[in-house]
Amino acid sequence: DTGVSQDPRHKITKRGQNVTFRCDPISEHNRLYWYRQTLGQGPEFLTYFQNEAQLEKSRLLSDRFSAERPKGSFSTLEIQRTEQGDSAMYLCASSLLQGNEQYFGPGTRLTVT
Amino acid sequence: AQSVTQLGSHVSVSEGALVLLRCNYSSSVPPYLFWYVQYPNQGLQLLLKYTSAATLVKGINGFEAEFKKSETSFHLTKPSAHMSDAAEYFCAVSVPPVRDDKIIFGKGTRLHILP
Repeated sequence: DTGVSQDPRHKITKRGQNVTFRCDPISEHNRLYWYRQTLGQGPEFLTYFQNEAQLEKSRLLSDRFSAERPKGSFSTLEIQRTEQGDSAMYLCASSLLQGNEQYFGPGTRLTVT
Repeated sequence: AQSVTQLGSHVSVSEGALVLLRCNYSSSVPPYLFWYVQYPNQGLQLLLKYTSAATLVKGINGFEAEFKKSETSFHLTKPSAHMSDAAEYFCAVSVPPVRDDKIIFGKGTRLHILP
């Protein structure tokens, strides 16, 4: 069990650029979640997948954000035309079944300059 | 809507002293409740969870929490603090059984351990 992995761990980008993050869940976990954590706050839910289907999106997820999980395994989160307000830690989690424990990855810290 | 409120953004205790981190929840239906710990530059690790079974829940690293419906509380305790307990702690709630099981987190409490 290698745990949930995220890549990159850190990303610095200029305002207006596009960025893409990757999350590899624990193998065989069919649920995958994305959260965003800003400084001094707890993680906030963004979206989640069951297998390849995206079942819910938070109102926090503006049109500039898109997430995919094409084969029901890894997932990508893309932010287009980044803004300084997008600077945050982006956390990915996975779980085996509804209601079971969510296992979190180490996160990707995004800094928009 | 569900929410959690963590009382105190920073808590300091001496090594060997009792740790008490407070959490109150709001939920229209019986909740699932969680405590997570986050060490610097790391993801979240589940300490313990309440899922409508025993009201006193024991977790890892000597932590436990008690679900008190009358007080809508789920405080986290540890009898004797250790230096390695210094971290950020998050109380969280989810509402089963629903189609999704996203977790709603509190703002966190940073625990400082004094030598």
